[in-house]
Amino acid sequence: GNSVTQMEGPVTLSEEAFLTINCTYTATGYPSLFWYVQYPGEGLQLLLKATKADDKGSNKGFEATYRKETTSFHLEKGSVQVSDSAVYFCALKETSGSRLTFGEGTQLTVNP
Amino acid sequence: EAQVTQNPRYLITVTGKKLTVTCSQNMNHEYMSWYRQDPGLGLRQIYYSMNVEVTDKGDVPEGYKVSRKEKRNFPLILESPSPNQTSLYFCASAWRGVFGANVLTFGAGSRLTVL
Repeated sequence: GNSVTQMEGPVTLSEEAFLTINCTYTATGYPSLFWYVQYPGEGLQLLLKATKADDKGSNKGFEATYRKETTSFHLEKGSVQVSDSAVYFCALKETSGSRLTFGEGTQLTVNP
Repeated sequence: EAQVTQNPRYLITVTGKKLTVTCSQNMNHEYMSWYRQDPGLGLRQIYYSMNVEVTDKGDVPEGYKVSRKEKRNFPLILESPSPNQTSLYFCASAWRGVFGANVLTFGAGSRLTVL
């Protein structure tokens, strides 16, 4: 079956540091890939997505590139802010299905 | 404002006492789903619904029931709650396109504790 593996957290960074959160997946076919973010006390919200190989999703300074050859969708940001502190979830959806498979989530804390 | 509304947000109950967590969306979405979030396990799907009167099991359906009598509502029912159902629950909805459900909109979550 499908699966998503994220780097273990928690991750603690200083403001303006570079962020990478690793995500790899196992799936048949050509899934769509997502990053969702969960701010404290809130539900998840979509951060970015990519629907085919070599696509780059970007939003709010975050980027992730769909790499089919390495089955990866790593999240990056060049300079994090305190307001980026949240839990980040990588997820995939099969091409023709509706089920989302989530990773375990990675807690990010950014200190001033 | 487009949103998914869950109630209650917090609930403490006792083993065996039936409870319902309501979920309502105002976006006319066909697809709705329930997830539970547990530390180290991420989000796991409990049940989902592709449209009115159409529901199906997700990855962890045991101990839960759902119904979809109206498009906007998708309640989660725990007939006889047990402590292992203590969790944070999220309802989500999405427009359903040609290739299945699109981007999910999540509710704010319902934290349930079963003693």
